[in-house]
Amino acid sequence: RKEVEQDPGPFNVPEGATVAFNCTYSNSASQSFFWYRQDCRKEPKLLMSVYSSGNEDGRFTAQLNRASQYISLLIRDSKLSDSATYLCVVMDSSASKIIFGSGTRLSIRP
Amino acid sequence: GAVVSQHPSRVICKSGTSVKIECRSLDFQATTMFWYRQFPKQSLMLMATSNEGSKATYEQGVEKDKFLINHASLTLSTLTVTSAHPEDSSFYICSARDNRGSWGYTFGSGTRLTVV
Repeated sequence: RKEVEQDPGPFNVPEGATVAFNCTYSNSASQSFFWYRQDCRKEPKLLMSVYSSGNEDGRFTAQLNRASQYISLLIRDSKLSDSATYLCVVMDSSASKIIFGSGTRLSIRP
Repeated sequence: GAVVSQHPSRVICKSGTSVKIECRSLDFQATTMFWYRQFPKQSLMLMATSNEGSKATYEQGVEKDKFLINHASLTLSTLTVTSAHPEDSSFYICSARDNRGSWGYTFGSGTRLTVV
């Protein structure tokens, strides 16, 4: 089993739609979680950290479910510019390294 | 915010030659930097963890004699791909964490290596 798993997609949704991704992790001792966004042939960029209480940043909402060991990302009112690959990132318990999911591709159509 | 500068952004080299990639933290000190490799349509795979003033820690399956890492200062880590082969062609990205904040890891812009 992979340490961090994501549905690779692609998710193809119309502009304005709401879309959600999940990411599961295998190490119950993992301590920090992030969502990154990566555009084609570019480096990943931090989208948001994921807190136990859940957090929201504009149209983006991230949640953590420790019991079921998954994190989620919800995008509301999607824009064309949201088209990208979204990477789930988990920091191990010793905070010594971060592990990437394989990414979920999102394509927003007009 | 934290900025990581990576050079070169693109390099084409002949088989058998060596290529050095630099990763610099511009406005913070990074005692630890990470080197990743990403093949097309795949996720980033951690190659090694670079520690300032000590030997790098390599992930399983990564040849330390082929991918030389040097982290001689708190702001600079280098990755040298030695005796490059076409299968080494990939996107190499470094990252570092600014311990002053909690904003995750900052990435360099990546180096696209093509070995011909």
